Amino acid sequence: GEDVEQSLFLSVREGDSSVINCTYTDSSSTYLYWYKQEPGAGLQLLTYIFSNMDMKQDQRLTVLLNKKDKHLSLRIADTQTGDSAIYFCAERYMEYGNKLVFGAGTILRVKS
Amino acid sequence: DTEVTQTPKHLVMGMTNKKSLKCEQHMGHRAMYWYKQKAKKPPELMFVYSYEKLSINESVPSRFSPECPNSSLLNLHLHALQPEDSALYLCASSQGTSADTQYFGPGTRLTVL
Repeated sequence: GEDVEQSLFLSVREGDSSVINCTYTDSSSTYLYWYKQEPGAGLQLLTYIFSNMDMKQDQRLTVLLNKKDKHLSLRIADTQTGDSAIYFCAERYMEYGNKLVFGAGTILRVKS
Repeated sequence: DTEVTQTPKHLVMGMTNKKSLKCEQHMGHRAMYWYKQKAKKPPELMFVYSYEKLSINESVPSRFSPECPNSSLLNLHLHALQPEDSALYLCASSQGTSADTQYFGPGTRLTVL
């Protein structure tokens, strides 16, 4: 079935690394996404990874994928106060019109 | 340019009103989406248009009526809504190919009185 799960809350100090975790369920090849949502705003695409990859790095962001455990993580290096937001993991169901199924979202709070 | 625009930013309407939400993209994308997001919840898919044809309707009540007049525009017509329909309505678009990353607009905050 469709189920994407995330840890709900993370608090870090400015300058530390943040790691947000997600698990997904689809067993076929798929794309997995990380979106950021600030209060009152839409979703900003941060990065994505195809399920046959292990890792993707984009500036301060590193995505790690463990296909066996269907576990995805987003690491933010040198976390800043501007990184405070809700982070959504999403899985794309390519057999169903590219429908995105989102996790519940992780609230990241960065303390200065 | 990865911009999706939505109007209005905020909308307050009564249960007997008829209103429309608008979404526009000029990225040449051929798939467009409507999502509904309640407070403190993730977005939930409502409709998908692919090449201007409705391809997915996630069992949305008929008081929500989507329309895709051309490949750049997506409307959501609202009629006889209920207070529980109050939410953030997000539009997204994607290329419509296998590398189909969805880009989201800022949303319309809808309040139904």
